Amino acid sequence: GEDVEQSLFLSVREGDSSVINCTYTDSSSTYLYWYKQEPGAGLQLLTYIFSNMDMKQDQRLTVLLNKKDKHLSLRIADTQTGDSAIYFCAESLLLNNDMRFGAGTRLTVKP
Amino acid sequence: DSGVTQTPKHLITATGQRVTLRCSPRSGDLSVYWYQQSLDQGLQFLIQYYNGEERAKGNILERFSAQQFPDLHSELNLSSLELGDSALYFCASSPGGGSTNYGYTFGSGTRLTVV
Repeated sequence: GEDVEQSLFLSVREGDSSVINCTYTDSSSTYLYWYKQEPGAGLQLLTYIFSNMDMKQDQRLTVLLNKKDKHLSLRIADTQTGDSAIYFCAESLLLNNDMRFGAGTRLTVKP
Repeated sequence: DSGVTQTPKHLITATGQRVTLRCSPRSGDLSVYWYQQSLDQGLQFLIQYYNGEERAKGNILERFSAQQFPDLHSELNLSSLELGDSALYFCASSPGGGSTNYGYTFGSGTRLTVV
């Protein structure tokens, strides 16, 4: 499809792991990104993965990339209430390096 | 502080009016991007400027226009405002003509409310 797709909502309990999934459009995308948007704020780059990688780990964050299925996921270990935010998946298109964003997944962490 | 500055932070105006949103990119960045974020439409790309020239156009209405000045700051002009234009307007910047491993750097946005 033409859109970067994400589920709109995810709710987890504090201390659990969160997994946010994304399907992107361009199998030739060079970089794939996860952004976090807290209430009333702009988008903040959380992490990125280069397309020749399968996995990237950064403290509590693990990014998995399945190029065959054009599937990207973000796992947040030991999710905290401060992780409640909207998470956007984005891809960098090979043709022109422009970025295409998903609609965002709203993560709610319950105490 | 991301380094991308947007003003004003909040704007309330009446239908039919015209407003100007301003963005100063991160130091050294040549590209400026404008996005609209509304509850029902998600994050919509409006337009990109690179070193003063328009480079890409997205879902930007004819009532909207933008420009990038020699000092690289950019302005987004919204005219004949309608209730449906109420949204968060984000500016982002990047060093070159497209994204890098750092993606785009976003400002904190201007919340526009049309009443």
